[in-house]
Amino acid sequence: DAGITQSPRHKVTETGTPVTLRCHQTENHRYMYWYRQDPGHGLRLIHYSYGVKDTDKGEVSDGYSVSRSKTEDFLLTLESATSSQTSVYFCAISESRTGENTIYFGEGSWLTVV
Amino acid sequence: EDQVTQSPEALRLQEGESSSLNCSYTVSGLRGLFWYRQDPGKGPEFLFTLYSAGEEKEKERLKATLTKKESFLHITAPKPEDSATYLCAVRSVNDYKLSFGAGTTVTVRA
Repeated sequence: DAGITQSPRHKVTETGTPVTLRCHQTENHRYMYWYRQDPGHGLRLIHYSYGVKDTDKGEVSDGYSVSRSKTEDFLLTLESATSSQTSVYFCAISESRTGENTIYFGEGSWLTVV
Repeated sequence: EDQVTQSPEALRLQEGESSSLNCSYTVSGLRGLFWYRQDPGKGPEFLFTLYSAGEEKEKERLKATLTKKESFLHITAPKPEDSATYLCAVRSVNDYKLSFGAGTTVTVRA
């Protein structure tokens, strides 16, 4: 168990509404990530964070924003949800101080935009 | 841009029938190649990290190997509980993220 909690685990929302997904870690890891997983595309990086208040865009960042005000929490916000954002969202964490590069994943948040 | 291609997309095996999964990659300086297992409705579960060509790692019936262009995940005498999607990912030396392949879905029949 990587000590990652995602919430909510399942959500149905309407097009145009804002949605926030939360990732909470108990490992005190520096790096946190948000990925989305879609059939035929595999896992794609949305945003990542390399410290409190330090974030950067991934390959599919349009329509998403993130915030990290505490080491343990990384929030993903869909400003105005669209049907193309229906997906499974995974939070991940890693700690590179020791040279260990492994990224550990949470259990996922299933989002349906109708 | 880092690229990862996994083959085959799907693999159906009889229990005990050994096989291999392929992961071909292009990366500007490999920091690590990762294998994950993913069960339906779950997050990816870490299996191995390989750092340099020639490296091998084993875990139960799984063995991962690495060359300069590809990695193989060998499944020896698989059991039904080995049924899952296996994901390959790479991390380059100047990056914090992983780039994933689309995965190989393995089904092992009893």
